[in-house]
Amino acid sequence: QSALTQPASVSGSPGQSITISCTGTSSDVGGYNYVSWYQQHPGKAPKLMIYDVTKRPSGLSNRFSASKSGNTASLTISGLQAEDEADYYCSSYTSSSTFVFGTGTKVTVL
Amino acid sequence: QVQLVQSGGEVTKPGASVKVSCKASGYIFSDYPIHWVRQAPGQGLEWMGWINAGNGNTKYSQNIPGTVTITRDTSASTVYLEMSGLRHEDTAIYYCARKSGSFSSDFWGQGTLVTVSS
Repeated sequence: QSALTQPASVSGSPGQSITISCTGTSSDVGGYNYVSWYQQHPGKAPKLMIYDVTKRPSGLSNRFSASKSGNTASLTISGLQAEDEADYYCSSYTSSSTFVFGTGTKVTVL
Repeated sequence: QVQLVQSGGEVTKPGASVKVSCKASGYIFSDYPIHWVRQAPGQGLEWMGWINAGNGNTKYSQNIPGTVTITRDTSASTVYLEMSGLRHEDTAIYYCARKSGSFSSDFWGQGTLVTVSS
């Protein structure tokens, strides 16, 4: 199982919007509505940000939104803030009843 | 509140074995599967496998060698990750995470650093 493909880095200025892509195959991202997104700050455990492609956990800022088209999922952060600077990983359930993570994207707030 | 508390860091030699624990509290242990995820230094997340905490069924990543075993002790609400024949490249932080009602991980342990060094 190969890792899902994400851009290595994305940057934006405070207040701007950025989008992170996550490309897989029809055996994972394209085949199931079970894409999740995680935020990880340095030295910390990952934190769930999005599940089931578009759903936000209770209490999470609505500045985070997500979607999917075909084999590519996307996470959008609106109104970028300094605390959004972190690594972001997508994840998908697969046809082998396993899970796969993306390669990870470093978000920098300029 | 839901908590996953992992055992402390380990330093071990190549070829040795290690067993990392993940103690769950704040919910019905057998109702939620547990994943294990690892992260090598400076690298991304890698899914290793998961266990159904209720019946003990497991599923492993095809990328993980057969020297990895996930077990659970329901009486202790604890899941274990045992790795044998360790290599330098197994040096990583190992996380346990609870599989939510959906196919995501809603609560994570604090991570356990396993260092394999000769």
